Amino acid sequence: SQKIEQNSEALNIQEGKTATLTCNYTNYSPAYLQWYRQDPGRGPVFLLLIRENEKEKRKERLKVTFDTTLKQSLFHITASQPADSATYLCALLSYSGGGADGLTFGKGTHLIIQP
Amino acid sequence: EADIYQTPRYLVIGTGKKITLECSQTMGHDKMYWYQQDPGMELHLIHYSYGVNSTEKGDLSSESTVSRIRTEHFPLTLESARPSHTSQYLCASRISGVSEKLFFGSGTQLSVL
Repeated sequence: SQKIEQNSEALNIQEGKTATLTCNYTNYSPAYLQWYRQDPGRGPVFLLLIRENEKEKRKERLKVTFDTTLKQSLFHITASQPADSATYLCALLSYSGGGADGLTFGKGTHLIIQP
Repeated sequence: EADIYQTPRYLVIGTGKKITLECSQTMGHDKMYWYQQDPGMELHLIHYSYGVNSTEKGDLSSESTVSRIRTEHFPLTLESARPSHTSQYLCASRISGVSEKLFFGSGTQLSVL
C-alpha cells in the first residue's frame, strides 16, 4: 500500500544549526512533492515545491532535495531560529491515485529549535 | 497572506445537533477542499470541489455533506453530530493547475459532547 513516512518523534535542534527533516515514501511515483509548515491550532502554510525531475530547490534559508531512486525528500533549514519551531508536513502528488488531484499528506515532523 | 476564512474557530456542541462549518475564499479559486485532522495525525481529505455545483467525496469516509453554490463559499454540514465527529476541520483552496499550492484556512476545532 502507499505510504508516506516522516519522523514521528520530535526533532530538537540547537539555534543556529541546520535542521534536516526526512520524508520517505513507498509505492508512489510522485510527480512532485510539497512541504508545508503548520503551527498549533492553525492550517498548514505552503513553503516549497519540487518536481520529480528536479534534484534541489532553495528559498532563503530553506532547501529541499528530492531523490526518486531513494524515494526520499530532505528538507533543510539553515541557521535555525526558535521561530522555526513548528510541525513540517510533506505532501506528494501521484497520478496513480490518492486524494483529489492525487495529493496526500504525511503526518509531519515536530521541530523544536532550542535557544 | 491567505484570504481564506473559516468560522467558527472553535465549536462545542451536543450530540444530535445539526452544524454547519463555514469556509469562504476571496481569491477566486475554482478548487476547494475539506480536510479532517486529528492531533499528531495526517490530514485526510473528506470532500472536494472543482467549481460551482461540483462536489465529490474524498478518501476518508465522512457523514458530512458539502455544497458549492458560489465560487467563494464551500460550507460543510453535519446533520446529526456525534462524539466521533470531534476533530479539526481544515478548508483549503487553490487555482487550477496540478502543481499549484494549497491555501488553508485556520481551521475549526469541533468538539461534540
